[in-house]
Amino acid sequence: DIQMTQSPSTLSASVGDRVTITCRASQNINSLLAWYQQKPGKAPKLLIYKTSNLESGVPSRFSGSGGGTEFTLAISSLQPDDFATYYCQQYNSYSWTFGQGTKVEI
Amino acid sequence: EVQLMESGGGLVQPGGSRRLSCIGSGFTFSDYEMNWVRQAPGKGLEWISNISTSETVSGHADSVKGRFIISRDNAKNAVYLQMNNLRVEDTAVYYCATGGPCPSGVCQTVAYFQYWGQGTGVTVSS
Repeated sequence: DIQMTQSPSTLSASVGDRVTITCRASQNINSLLAWYQQKPGKAPKLLIYKTSNLESGVPSRFSGSGGGTEFTLAISSLQPDDFATYYCQQYNSYSWTFGQGTKVEI
Repeated sequence: EVQLMESGGGLVQPGGSRRLSCIGSGFTFSDYEMNWVRQAPGKGLEWISNISTSETVSGHADSVKGRFIISRDNAKNAVYLQMNNLRVEDTAVYYCATGGPCPSGVCQTVAYFQYWGQGTGVTVSS
């Protein structure tokens, strides 16, 4: 299975900050990477698919970039609603795998 | 509005069985592959099972292979997860989730998880 490694595991930030989360794959995943946001007690929510495509309804302050084995999720100006845990997921190779998560906290 | 509603969770003894169900509405169910993803308490997300739009092809993570079976009934907009020989480490919230839209049935490039249910909890304990 492809291993997905996110960094950092925890990120302390303030409202208005620009934050970035990195996701590294153990092998080339051909841009087949998605990002999710999860709040406590809630189901994950798709933010971005195929590296940089914003899911409908997701604010434009979220963006994704990268390719090959290294990918980034950026939030341009952190809002109170963005404090959550973020996961990357590869879907290039069966079985699909997630990163371990990055918690964005105040 | 897209909705996925899971049911069937609860307390089960080690070695026991449980069947989870998920009913979809608000979208063309047969155009989406369906998945089960679980999350153990305080842990991250783990994909465990997937089934094709045509109901004919499925796959499972190694952690559940040979014990869990995924199935679907497009006429009922339903996907199921039959869980057998349950272990303490299967304790988790189980989510059903769609893939991306795939009317062609060739879904590798849309195998992200677009819509999610609210989850159903399974506790395996004696």
